[in-house]
Amino acid sequence: QKEVEQNSGPLSVPEGAIASLNCTYSDRGSQSFFWYRQYSGKSPELIMSIYSNGDKEDGRFTAQLNKASQYVSLLIRDSQPSDSATYLCAVRGNYQLIWGAGTKLIIKP
Amino acid sequence: GAVVSQHPSRVICKSGTSVKIECRSLDFQATTMFWYRQFPKQSLMLMATSNEGSKATYEQGVEKDKFLINHASLTLSTLTVTSAHPEDSSFYICSARGGGTNYGYTFGSGTRLTVV
Repeated sequence: QKEVEQNSGPLSVPEGAIASLNCTYSDRGSQSFFWYRQYSGKSPELIMSIYSNGDKEDGRFTAQLNKASQYVSLLIRDSQPSDSATYLCAVRGNYQLIWGAGTKLIIKP
Repeated sequence: GAVVSQHPSRVICKSGTSVKIECRSLDFQATTMFWYRQFPKQSLMLMATSNEGSKATYEQGVEKDKFLINHASLTLSTLTVTSAHPEDSSFYICSARGGGTNYGYTFGSGTRLTVV
């Protein structure tokens, strides 16, 4: 059974600080990794995708992948109250995405 | 970018009736459609996967006769909840593969179904 694990939180971060979200996965052969943001009552929206070891930066967001440790993370710099949401980690399986349970992030003004 | 239009966004129906949810890919051909259900404060649960022109593949525990999926064209897939009951009340989301930059996993906006 392929699994994706996330701490459910909530993770509380002061406005302007760095929020760090973590995810581990069980299938060592996984190649594609995604971070989605989901606001309450809305569908998920893609934040970042990463396929190679190392860091990938897009604006205030940085995804980090370590395939040896089977670990992928998302850093959010200069956190804003609008970043408060549930962040879902997803790993591509054979034909579908395998989802983590999500981490609820709260940015405190 | 790739857009998936999902309708209706909200629906309230009486117990025992059927509800149809539509997902249309507006600017790409959706070769595969994934249907998810999400209960409050829980993660996405994949219900079924459908490929255009083929029968849907249902996940374990999902009743195929209750949740009818049709993917007759490359731009339209429908999920019909038949004989709905209050326990079917949930947030239903479609996700299409076939376009976009994220390996084509484009989500619809979701349908909030309430069965009374």
